[in-house]
Amino acid sequence: EAGVTQSPTHLIKTRGQQATLRCSPISGHTSVYWYQQALGLGLQFLLWYDEGEERNRGNFPPRFSGRQFPNYSSELNVNALELEDSALYLCASSLGGWGWEANNQPQHFGDGTRLSIL
Amino acid sequence: DQQVKQNSPSLSVQEGRISILNCDYTNSMFDYFLWYKKYPAEGPTFLISISSIKDKNEDGRFTVFLNKSAKHLSLHIVPSQPGDSAVYFCAASGGGGSQGNLIFGKGTKLSVKP
Repeated sequence: EAGVTQSPTHLIKTRGQQATLRCSPISGHTSVYWYQQALGLGLQFLLWYDEGEERNRGNFPPRFSGRQFPNYSSELNVNALELEDSALYLCASSLGGWGWEANNQPQHFGDGTRLSIL
Repeated sequence: DQQVKQNSPSLSVQEGRISILNCDYTNSMFDYFLWYKKYPAEGPTFLISISSIKDKNEDGRFTVFLNKSAKHLSLHIVPSQPGDSAVYFCAASGGGGSQGNLIFGKGTKLSVKP
């Protein structure tokens, strides 16, 4: 069974540009999560999508956005890139659902996209 | 404020002995806890989880213990193997506002010496 796949592996951008990161979940998983791991910081929750809808959002500015497609893959878009956006961006997937069901199942991670802002 | 804390940045253990990794949390609303292992240049790999209705969960060499009154959980690895050397992250979910997302600790680097 294929795991969570992310592309590209590395992405280099300059300040003010836009970045698009992609994620394909494990087959059968409907929920996709995005996390940021900046240097020296732990994993910070960004966004959660389930069945094409944004379910929850972390404490990040609106220039961080995304979407989930009908095949459950997802994109993370970061507009007006700033130097502090340089980080590892991790995508995870799970079986999805609401409430206790959503909270009580493991998330499985991809290997991430390393975004560097020059 | 850190809701999930791993106070030991590193731990060194001899092969064959027990490794005990610890994690404390502050949010009493958390009801699901997980441990992940991470190798360099890879994403976190799910190891084991526990629901707040339990106090112990085992999977092979890995056992997670949950003490709700102390807001503390631990991961026991027995016996430890050199391949277990990695960074271990504790995570929690279920608190108000955190539905669906995980709150991670900053990790403990485990080194298992042959």
